[in-house]
Amino acid sequence: DTGVSQDPRHKITKRGQNVTFRCDPISEHNRLYWYRQTLGQGPEFLTYFQNEAQLEKSRLLSDRFSAERPKGSFSTLEIQRTEQGDSAMYLCASSLGSGSAAGRPDTGELFFGEGSRLTVL
Amino acid sequence: AQSVTQLGSHVSVSEGALVLLRCNYSSSVPPYLFWYVQYPNQGLQLLLKYTTGATLVKGINGFEAEFKKSETSFHLTKPSAHMSDAAEYFCAVSDQGNNDMRFGAGTRLTVKP
Repeated sequence: DTGVSQDPRHKITKRGQNVTFRCDPISEHNRLYWYRQTLGQGPEFLTYFQNEAQLEKSRLLSDRFSAERPKGSFSTLEIQRTEQGDSAMYLCASSLGSGSAAGRPDTGELFFGEGSRLTVL
Repeated sequence: AQSVTQLGSHVSVSEGALVLLRCNYSSSVPPYLFWYVQYPNQGLQLLLKYTTGATLVKGINGFEAEFKKSETSFHLTKPSAHMSDAAEYFCAVSDQGNNDMRFGAGTRLTVKP
C-alpha cells in the first residue's frame, strides 16, 4: 500500500518565479486536500477535490494559487509570482469520502504526504 | 464552522511521567475529532480518532483520548512518556461529512531523560 506522495520535497525559488507541486494520493481515495503549514502553526486548509471537481477553496488561496486534479487522480498546486510570504510547507492529503466507488463509509480520516517545503528568497 | 484550541504550545515532561495534551473544539454539528503527530520534516500521522460510539478511544503508541461533549474537549493522554514521543501534536475537528478538517496550532511535546 503506497501512501500519499508529494514532489518535490523541497523547492527553493526566487521571488517572482512560478512553482508547481504534485501530489499523488492513495489510489482508491476520491478526495484530495491541500493544506499549508507555516512554522509553529497547524495546517491551514487551502482547497479540496472530490474526484476531479474542486469543491471548496479557502480565502487563503489567492488568485496566484491554482490547483487542479484533471483526471481525478494526481493533483497539482501552482503558485505564480511567488512572494516571500508563500514560504511554507505544502501538505497534501487524501481520504475515502462518501460517494466513493469503493462504497465504504466516510471514516473522516485524512492520510497525509510528507509535504513539499517551499522557500522563497 | 468548526475550530480547535490547543492549550499550551509547549509541554515538557520527564520520561515515565504522565502526558496530558489539551484540546477544546467548537462545532455546530456532532464532530469527528482527531489527534495527529508530526515528527520533524515529516507529514502528519494519525494517532487516534473519535467518530461515534465509545467516548474513550485508544490509539497507537499507548495514547488515548476521551471525548467529553459537555466540556467540548478531546484531551490526549499517555500514562508513561517515552523519549520517542517527542514531537508536535495536532488536534483536529471535522464535520461528519469531512468536507474540511480544521487543525489546532499544535503542542510541542518535549520528553526529558
